[in-house]
Amino acid sequence: IVMTQSPLSLPVSPGEPASISCRASQSLLHSNGDNYLDWYLQKPGQSPQLLIYLGSSRASGVPDRFSGSGSGTDFTLKISRVEVEDFGVYYCMQTLQIPTFGGGTRVELK
Amino acid sequence: VQLFESGGGLVQPGDSLRLSCAGSGFTFGDYVMTWVRQPPGKGLEWVSAISGTGGTTYYADSMEGRLTISRDNSKGTVFLQLNGLRVGDTARYFCGKARAIGTGWDGTVYGGRGTLVTVSS
Repeated sequence: IVMTQSPLSLPVSPGEPASISCRASQSLLHSNGDNYLDWYLQKPGQSPQLLIYLGSSRASGVPDRFSGSGSGTDFTLKISRVEVEDFGVYYCMQTLQIPTFGGGTRVELK
Repeated sequence: VQLFESGGGLVQPGDSLRLSCAGSGFTFGDYVMTWVRQPPGKGLEWVSAISGTGGTTYYADSMEGRLTISRDNSKGTVFLQLNGLRVGDTARYFCGKARAIGTGWDGTVYGGRGTLVTVSS
């Protein structure tokens, strides 16, 4: 399954909202009703940090300014108000089959 | 929860290497463990996963045949054996654990700094 993210780069100012799109080459909707799509944030020199799993469930400790939505092949990660610690590279990853990541979206300071 | 990867280094094409990931702060044998990698300056690539008992293993198509994942639950450690290394395998390798008991690779949690494998002649 090929994962395509957009945009490649997203300049934002602190306090502004941000939105990242992720499209899968085939549906990630399982017969159990879950969408098998994760979102990660990676900061320089660190391992990826899980933000969202199963399309819309926030991982433990993740602030509620992060939200995931979508179903089937089209998904969105939204940050209601970007904070300084949110800058980095965001990846979507499908987990329906052998996992594959999107190419990443760099959220940077405008 | 802590994860610590080790075993990376500089090797020549065709060499083998065994990476280790030690986990602590959780009941190791209850969790699926996963490896991903990241070439310098590039994106993430999923590599391999293993069930809690070690009885079931999964590999990325691009690397299957050159990898073996295993685990020693008594030592809280998962291993990744890399054979026939190529220049394209140069990357930082991270290990992760399932987010909860009974879940698979959906929502994997990573925590270590990774271990760098450099393949060069």
